[in-house]
Amino acid sequence: AQKITQTQPGMFVQEKEAVTLDCTYDTSDPSYGLFWYKQPSSGEMIFLIYQGSYDQQNATEGRYSLNFQKARKSANLVISASQLGDSAMYFCAMREAGYNTDKLIFGTGTRLQVFP
Amino acid sequence: DAEITQSPRHKITETGRQVTLACHQTWNHNNMFWYRQDLGHGLRLIHYSYGVQDTNKGEVSDGYSVSRSNTEDLPLTLESAASSQTSVYFCASRDSLNTEAFFGQGTRLTVV
Repeated sequence: AQKITQTQPGMFVQEKEAVTLDCTYDTSDPSYGLFWYKQPSSGEMIFLIYQGSYDQQNATEGRYSLNFQKARKSANLVISASQLGDSAMYFCAMREAGYNTDKLIFGTGTRLQVFP
Repeated sequence: DAEITQSPRHKITETGRQVTLACHQTWNHNNMFWYRQDLGHGLRLIHYSYGVQDTNKGEVSDGYSVSRSNTEDLPLTLESAASSQTSVYFCASRDSLNTEAFFGQGTRLTVV
């Protein structure tokens, strides 16, 4: 069965520094998608970045990039130049692929705290 | 602008009562999902639907049901609320042709 693992319950980073949030996944399906969501203290889920299993290049969205290592089954989120507003919970998720199958499964999350 | 809304945002109910949480989206998405969020567990899938009259069980479906009578709505019903169902509930929708899922604001449910 598909599984997402986030091993870092909490991370600290100083403002303006880069930080990497780890995510590993397990699937036997060759076609899948990987997502990162941010959940600030207000509670909403904010989509950050997406990586498809067949994408040749790592996804980037502004200060967010996804370090996709397919052989290792890892999809780490890199946040460059951290800002105080980046303090939040971050969830890695994987979309199961297949005929008429479309559901996201989530990891347990990493709480990131950015300090001045 | 298209959106997805949940109601109520907060609910306190008693053990044994039936509770329905509403989810309404205006994107005309076929795929809709209900998750619950608990500390240490992330988001776990309760039920999902790929279209009208279609419903499927997720990994934590016991004690919950959904119905899909139209494209816009996927109400989640707790048949007989239990304290273990105290949680934050999120509804999400997704176009089968797009990638990301869009989430509602969440409903905080407390069962006393």
